[in-house]
Amino acid sequence: NAGVTQTPKFQVLKTGQSMTLQCAQDMNHEYMSWYRQDPGMGLRLIHYSVGAGITDQGEVPNGYNVSRSTTEDFPLRLLSAAPSQTSVYFCASRGAFEAFFGQGTRLTVV
Amino acid sequence: GEDVEQSLFLSVREGDSSVINCTYTDSSSTYLYWYKQEPGAGLQLLTYIFSNMDMKQDQRLTVLLNKKDKHLSLRIADTQTGDSAIYFCAEGTEEYGNKLVFGAGTILRVKS
Repeated sequence: NAGVTQTPKFQVLKTGQSMTLQCAQDMNHEYMSWYRQDPGMGLRLIHYSVGAGITDQGEVPNGYNVSRSTTEDFPLRLLSAAPSQTSVYFCASRGAFEAFFGQGTRLTVV
Repeated sequence: GEDVEQSLFLSVREGDSSVINCTYTDSSSTYLYWYKQEPGAGLQLLTYIFSNMDMKQDQRLTVLLNKKDKHLSLRIADTQTGDSAIYFCAEGTEEYGNKLVFGAGTILRVKS
């Protein structure tokens, strides 16, 4: 019962580098999303997808891209990392009622 | 827009009950959730309640919903040291394909 799997758990990037955070779910959920968590701010929605081939922007999309080629996978790409993107990133997968989160990726941009 | 507010910190003694409160603004919310986050870990779904319910009980957890006042609470009976964590309240909204709006989290500290 894997649920939502995120990789990597930790990452350090230099300013200007790009990388992809991976997210996979095995619950056949249509709705998946990416959030970032910053101290004292709760979680903010970056991008979301309501099914394979369909993605859309959330509240804080700048500097990030997503794609959804399969129901299972929803990777998040940082195009050119900036120190303001230092955060903890969570992928979520949602069924009819329940939303499940991955363990998070702690990203530091130096 | 929608907003979810929680108190920042709660300290209780082991064996006491804990009550974590939350207020939300979106009256169209269909579901409300409580998540637990332990240090360095992800968010664990504790429970959720439909907006047409007043109460939901699940073992040591009791959720109370006052829809008129847009107030949600989580009561943890017989609080244990393992309950020490950050607790997030979240509401499901119709925006962004039914995104979740989170509060900033309540830090629960359980003293032995």
